[in-house]
Amino acid sequence: DGGITQSPKYLFRKEGQNVTLSCEQNLNHDAMYWYRQDPGQGLRLIYYSQIVNDFQKGDIAEGYSVSREKKESFPLTVTSAQKNPTAFYLCASSAGRQGTSYEQYFGPGTRLTVT
Amino acid sequence: EDQVTQSPEALRLQEGESSSLNCSYTVSGLRGLFWYRQDPGKGPEFLFTLYSAGEEKEKERLKATLTKKESFLHITAPKPEDSATYLCAVRSNYGGATNKLIFGTGTLLAVQP
Repeated sequence: DGGITQSPKYLFRKEGQNVTLSCEQNLNHDAMYWYRQDPGQGLRLIYYSQIVNDFQKGDIAEGYSVSREKKESFPLTVTSAQKNPTAFYLCASSAGRQGTSYEQYFGPGTRLTVT
Repeated sequence: EDQVTQSPEALRLQEGESSSLNCSYTVSGLRGLFWYRQDPGKGPEFLFTLYSAGEEKEKERLKATLTKKESFLHITAPKPEDSATYLCAVRSNYGGATNKLIFGTGTLLAVQP
């Protein structure tokens, strides 16, 4: 089955600790994305990568970092510099430059709680 | 600046009571409008892509339509299992040739038996 996996589903951390959220896809997609979802707000783009070894900041990149060393993987690190890290984090991928379809497919999400 | 607005914020229907959700947008060159369904605590599920005014797509009880300023998601004879948040997103020319999507805040649909 092709799809996107995110782990863990729930994550709890103490304030001041960095935490890394995993995202893996086996859809052979070039592009991958990280979003944050808060109650009452639309999905907000944190970082995106259109190709391996390249990534760009989205609208709310401060306090986050990413890497894209493999096509299948796009981990997100929430650093201690992120002021309000508690949120639902969603990873997505799309065919990107491969084809003409631009819809994004989402993983199941990771709910991060920082206390 | 590109913007997507969805209405209503929440909608409660009786089973079988058809209705429509609205997604209005202002973008600098629409390059796709996307509808997603999101269940509580889960990632959004892709439903439709529309590219040009007049285009329509259907899937079971759902039909999406597109004009130059807005899109509608029509729900015909809904069932309780259609209850979810429906998200609209657009892809535009803003910021160059990227695949970035701009999302609305969604419509929370509740269908009562």
